[in-house]
Amino acid sequence: KQEVTQIPAALSVPEGENLVLNCSFTDSAIYNLQWFRQDPGKGLTSLLLIQSSQREQTSGRLNASLDKSSGRSTLYIAASQPGDSATYLCAVRLTQGAQKLVFGQGTRLTINP
Amino acid sequence: GAVVSQHPSWVICKSGTSVKIECRSLDFQATTMFWYRQFPKQSLMLMATSNEGSKATYEQGVEKDKFLINHASLTLSTLTVTSAHPEDSSFYICSASIAGTSTWGEQFFGPGTRLTVL
Repeated sequence: KQEVTQIPAALSVPEGENLVLNCSFTDSAIYNLQWFRQDPGKGLTSLLLIQSSQREQTSGRLNASLDKSSGRSTLYIAASQPGDSATYLCAVRLTQGAQKLVFGQGTRLTINP
Repeated sequence: GAVVSQHPSWVICKSGTSVKIECRSLDFQATTMFWYRQFPKQSLMLMATSNEGSKATYEQGVEKDKFLINHASLTLSTLTVTSAHPEDSSFYICSASIAGTSTWGEQFFGPGTRLTVL
């Protein structure tokens, strides 16, 4: 059974710092991995999607990497801003034939002005 | 593009009543829709997967007679919580996906519905 773990559960840093969020998964047979942002009481906003054949994806100040063989992904946020404060979730899609997403518990990020 | 809406955004009901939540894909046809539940400070847990015109597939531990899912068209799925109880209070999120795109099967999420059962 696929399990997704995110570390740390919560993170608080001052504005301007670069930071890394971690995601690990137990079964390397994934189709892709996706990072989401969730603001309190809101739905999910997709940030980056990495196909299993890719090593990384970038969007603005965000960079996500994927090491499928070791079951790890990182989300790098450069020059953090208070508006980046949210919960960040990673999720893996298991196989091409199934569209199930398995989510991690999330990292609650707070950027202090 | 790829916008998913949910209605209502929040609902409060009395214990024992039924509540219907709608999930719509606004600018695309969704071959598959998914329903998730999220308890406070926890992650999303998949409840069921539905394909248009067929019965939903429920995850282990989810009561299909309590959580009725109907996917009658390619743009609309509904989740009905029957005989709701306080323990059903949660944040319900739907997602929708289409096949045959460059990001095959990518799921697009709705804004969620907050259900509170008194």
